[in-house]
Amino acid sequence: DQQVKQNSPSLSVQEGRISILNCDYTNSMFDYFLWYKKYPAEGPTFLISISSIKDKNEDGRFTVFLNKSAKHLSLHIVPSQPGDSAVYFCAASGSGSARQLTFGSGTQLTVLP
Amino acid sequence: KAGVTQTPRYLIKTRGQQVTLSCSPISGHRSVSWYQQTPGQGLQFLFEYFSETQRNKGNFPGRFSGRQFSNSRSEMNVSTLELGDSALYLCASSLDGTDLGYGYTFGSGTRLTVV
Repeated sequence: DQQVKQNSPSLSVQEGRISILNCDYTNSMFDYFLWYKKYPAEGPTFLISISSIKDKNEDGRFTVFLNKSAKHLSLHIVPSQPGDSAVYFCAASGSGSARQLTFGSGTQLTVLP
Repeated sequence: KAGVTQTPRYLIKTRGQQVTLSCSPISGHRSVSWYQQTPGQGLQFLFEYFSETQRNKGNFPGRFSGRQFSNSRSEMNVSTLELGDSALYLCASSLDGTDLGYGYTFGSGTRLTVV
């Protein structure tokens, strides 16, 4: 039972345009959501997070939107750059003193020059 | 400051053997989590240690175990290796395991191949 789903395995975007990566979740106990970027043979790199009390969080070119009623979050990258090409994972965590991350299956983003 | 260091980077073992992987967290971080990444199952949580105590455990068999030392360094051990244990093993460190606003910092991982 996949609690965090990324339904698009891949996405191609032109350089300078907006990239929108989507993620759905089923567990209503999740209260923190994160996005990670990953290159092959490297560990995931943290990009941005959002708690369930917010619906938007921005950091430079990256914005995460959370729609709790739809159990949906998205990552917007504007403008997209070729260096953004990587696999993007969304992850979610419940509350408590021992937080574990439940990851989606990832979306391969390719930004074309 | 130095990042999360995992050793070794690559490892080849034979079925039935056991293996120990090491993770040194960022200085000052006391929480270390372990994750397994495979093509079929994606990234899955193994366990988390804080102050030498296992606080949380994922859905893995007892062959997977870990420990944490007083300097916060952590090791994970897999006994009686199976072919399906071939994976990238990642560790992540954080101050206390609750600071998700800054995410967890991952190491580059140990690529384990079981033959």
